[in-house]
Amino acid sequence: TQLLEQSPQFLSIQEGENLTVYCNSSSVFSSLQWYRQEPGEGPVLLVTVVTGGEVKKLKRLTFQFGDARKDSSLHITAAQPGDTGLYLCAGVMNYGGSQGNLIFGKGTKLSVKP
Amino acid sequence: DAGVIQSPRHEVTEMGQEVTLRCKPISGHDYLFWYRQTMMRGLELLIYFNNNVPIDDSGMPEDRFSAKMPNASFSTLKIQPSEPRDSAVYFCASSPINRPNTEAFFGQGTRLTVV
Repeated sequence: TQLLEQSPQFLSIQEGENLTVYCNSSSVFSSLQWYRQEPGEGPVLLVTVVTGGEVKKLKRLTFQFGDARKDSSLHITAAQPGDTGLYLCAGVMNYGGSQGNLIFGKGTKLSVKP
Repeated sequence: DAGVIQSPRHEVTEMGQEVTLRCKPISGHDYLFWYRQTMMRGLELLIYFNNNVPIDDSGMPEDRFSAKMPNASFSTLKIQPSEPRDSAVYFCASSPINRPNTEAFFGQGTRLTVV
């Protein structure tokens, strides 16, 4: 059973389009992280959201943590080919709070065509 | 700092052979994690260490897998004997503090193929 479900699994869009990817769970997380992974590389942290309802912006990327801290979304405005990659969400369970309890989703593979 | 360094980048081995993956964490980081990534299961935590001591190895799939951290700058993940279903990308990550908001820094991974 996958604790964190990411959707869509694959997304192919044209440069300039907007998109939203989702990370959902029936479990509550004390915090949630979004990573981007490029081919042949390890994941790189984009943002951490901690508070229910929190919204964080990173240039053209907007991250939102659900009010109940069970889900999150990533919205990209005017996507560029450089945004291509695998977007992973990772949640820390609402107990213990240690990095060792970091649970990853399977990711959304985004391809932005010029 | 050069970041987390893993070797080899690619490994192809025959079923039944022993495989050793290596990791050098970022200097000063107290936590080291081993992950395995496959299309089917995504990124799974295998084991993690704090100050060279294994804390949680519940993700290690079988007794064929073992991990060691003899000192703060080196860790190994060994598979003996290897099987085709072990084929995956294995990542090592390190972190300065084990808190939920702390970033995990990943290496480039070792792509293992067992034939």
